[in-house]
Amino acid sequence: DTGVSQNPRHKITKRGQNVTFRCDPISEHNRLYWYRQTLGQGPEFLTYFQNEAQLEKSRLLSDRFSAERPKGSFSTLEIQRTEQGDSAMYLCASSIHGVDGYTFGSGTRLTVV
Amino acid sequence: DQQVKQNSPSLSVQEGRISILNCDYTNSMFDYFLWYKKYPAEGPTFLISISSIKDKNEDGRFTVFLNKSAKHLSLHIVPSQPGDSAVYFCAAFTGNQFYFGTGTSLTVIP
Repeated sequence: DTGVSQNPRHKITKRGQNVTFRCDPISEHNRLYWYRQTLGQGPEFLTYFQNEAQLEKSRLLSDRFSAERPKGSFSTLEIQRTEQGDSAMYLCASSIHGVDGYTFGSGTRLTVV
Repeated sequence: DQQVKQNSPSLSVQEGRISILNCDYTNSMFDYFLWYKKYPAEGPTFLISISSIKDKNEDGRFTVFLNKSAKHLSLHIVPSQPGDSAVYFCAAFTGNQFYFGTGTSLTVIP
C-alpha cells in the first residue's frame, strides 16, 4: 500500500466553478478525515467519516462544501460556486481508529482565480 | 480560537547543534500529541508522538518533551542536519481530530 492518495495534486479554477477532489485512504483504514490548510496556518479539521458515515463536520464546512464516502472506501470533497477564499491546500488523512496509523496524503492545492 | 500555538514562526540553527521547537496548548482534554514535518507541496509527515501519560519520548535524534502542568510541548533535534530544514507542526488530538499549531520553519545551516 502506498499510503493516502489524493487527486488531483493541483487544481486551478475560475471563481464560481465547482470542483471535486478525491481521496483514497489506506485500504484497511475505516476512518477518513478532511482538513484545509491556508497559507501561514496549520491544517484545520473539516470533517470525518467512519466507514461511509459522516460523523462530524466543522463549522468551517459551509453549505457550499459537501463530502461523501459512498462505499466506505474513497472519499470526495466537492466545493460549489468556488470563491477566492477557498484557495488552500486540502488534506485528507485516514486512520484505523483514533490516532492509530493516522496518515496524511500529500494534499490537493486549490487556486481560485 | 487557537488551541495549539507555536509562537516562533522561524528558527535557524547551525549544523550539529541542537534545535528546540516549542509548542503551547490550552485544552487539558488533549490526550495525544504529535510533531509533523512538512516539506513544500507535500502533506505533513509524522515525526514523533507522545501520549499524555508520558513526559518524554525519544526516537533517534528526535526527543519530544511534554510538561502537562505548563501545557507545553517541545521537540529537540540533536544533532541538527541540513536535511532537517522544513516546517514543523505541533498537533494535539482529542475526540476525532487533530488541532495544529501554525508551524515553525526550521533552517539548519551547513
